[in-house]
Amino acid sequence: GAVVSQHPSWVICKSGTSVKIECRSLDFQATTMFWYRQFPKQSLMLMATSNEGSKATYEQGVEKDKFLINHASLTLSTLTVTSAHPEDSSFYICSAPLVGVHAEAFFGQGTRLTVV
Amino acid sequence: AQSVSQHNHHVILSEAASLELGCNYSYGGTVNLFWYVQYPGQHLQLLLKYFSGDPLVKGIKGFEAEFIKSKFSFNLRKPSVQWSDTAEYFCAVSPSFSGGYQKVTFGIGTKLQVIP
Repeated sequence: GAVVSQHPSWVICKSGTSVKIECRSLDFQATTMFWYRQFPKQSLMLMATSNEGSKATYEQGVEKDKFLINHASLTLSTLTVTSAHPEDSSFYICSAPLVGVHAEAFFGQGTRLTVV
Repeated sequence: AQSVSQHNHHVILSEAASLELGCNYSYGGTVNLFWYVQYPGQHLQLLLKYFSGDPLVKGIKGFEAEFIKSKFSFNLRKPSVQWSDTAEYFCAVSPSFSGGYQKVTFGIGTKLQVIP
């Protein structure tokens, strides 16, 4: 099946710094990618929809100035957590769908972010 | 907006026992339904999906799920579990539109532990 690669798998950063997470579709083009966040013992929550060549669409309650999304090419979307704080510590997952009716999405392995 | 409820957060079974994981959703329109599985240290991957047609769908590794529209349910089943089925299972739903993949809402997940 199609492969989505997410990097890094885990990262520890100091409070106030910024962290960039990459999501790549390795063997297909993805005009759309999705970014999710999962807190402990909670469901995956959609944060934003990343659109190649245009602005991302953010879900209600997600700060677009804090979670910067750039979808610069058909195979790469990046999520930058700016001025990270301990409450941003979470598991971030991206997914990329195949184009087509009833197409499915493929997920990256996730990034565990810990802000200290 | 759609929502998903998974009833069992942590299930422990012995090998060869039968499995049924409950999933209910709420949405006012037609839906696509998914079960995803995440094995320890691996990507989230699709186990099975329902878009239309036969409400009993079969997935990989002997799993199946039945869509009961009147109950808004999509329970996952397997007649005989194996130790290798130890993983976390997520039920998910998306609105059903023509033209491709839509935003997916996930349940909280069920951790299945199979004891040899």
